[in-house]
Amino acid sequence: QLQLQESGPRLVKPSETLSLTCTVSGGSISSSSYYWGWIRQPPGKGLEWIGSKYHNGITYYNPSLKSRLAMSVDTSKNQFSLRLNSVTASDTAMYYCASLGSSAWYKDSWGRGTLVTVSS
Amino acid sequence: SSAVTQDPAVSVALGQTVRITCQGDSLKNYYANWYQQHPGQAPILVIYGKNNRPSGIPDRFSGSTSGNTASLTITGAQAEDEADYYCFSRDTSGHHWVFGGGTKLTVV
Repeated sequence: QLQLQESGPRLVKPSETLSLTCTVSGGSISSSSYYWGWIRQPPGKGLEWIGSKYHNGITYYNPSLKSRLAMSVDTSKNQFSLRLNSVTASDTAMYYCASLGSSAWYKDSWGRGTLVTVSS
Repeated sequence: SSAVTQDPAVSVALGQTVRITCQGDSLKNYYANWYQQHPGQAPILVIYGKNNRPSGIPDRFSGSTSGNTASLTITGAQAEDEADYYCFSRDTSGHHWVFGGGTKLTVV
């Protein structure tokens, strides 16, 4: 059973970079069974997929965020990370890291989420 | 379009059956996963793949797909099923994931 835990600053200033890390336990981040992804939910709004990264380096980003986004994986620490630059108040959201099944056989798992506020 | 769409709101009488749908061209090729979210809580997965329930999810929840429409069916809805439900799948390219806008289920 995969478990994921987000960590990182909860408050980011406008125009700066939002950085979050997800620590994976209960399985290897080198697994081919999952994509490692980020999802967010602004207060009172719906869910938005941010991006996903596969063990072989293939990375997919939400087109609406692609120009500001970078994802990376640290296999030595079993972690993956998100960097979103030039943030504005509209980036204020609950951010979730997730393992997304690479096929229909594999169950998605999410972290509990972390609320990131963009404010000066 | 690469999006998937849901009805914003659905209601069901206590103990009755309700179907929540998700439409999109990508659903002809990819299954939808379904998430339940109660206010102030993180989403939880209730259906994944063809029709798989994670451990702890009651068997009154089931999933199906027909053509470009995925459905989440709750057979014998309970008061605790009142929540927002989101479908989640790939887009038509297979390179991106998309959420439906969510369906608010009211149990009356």
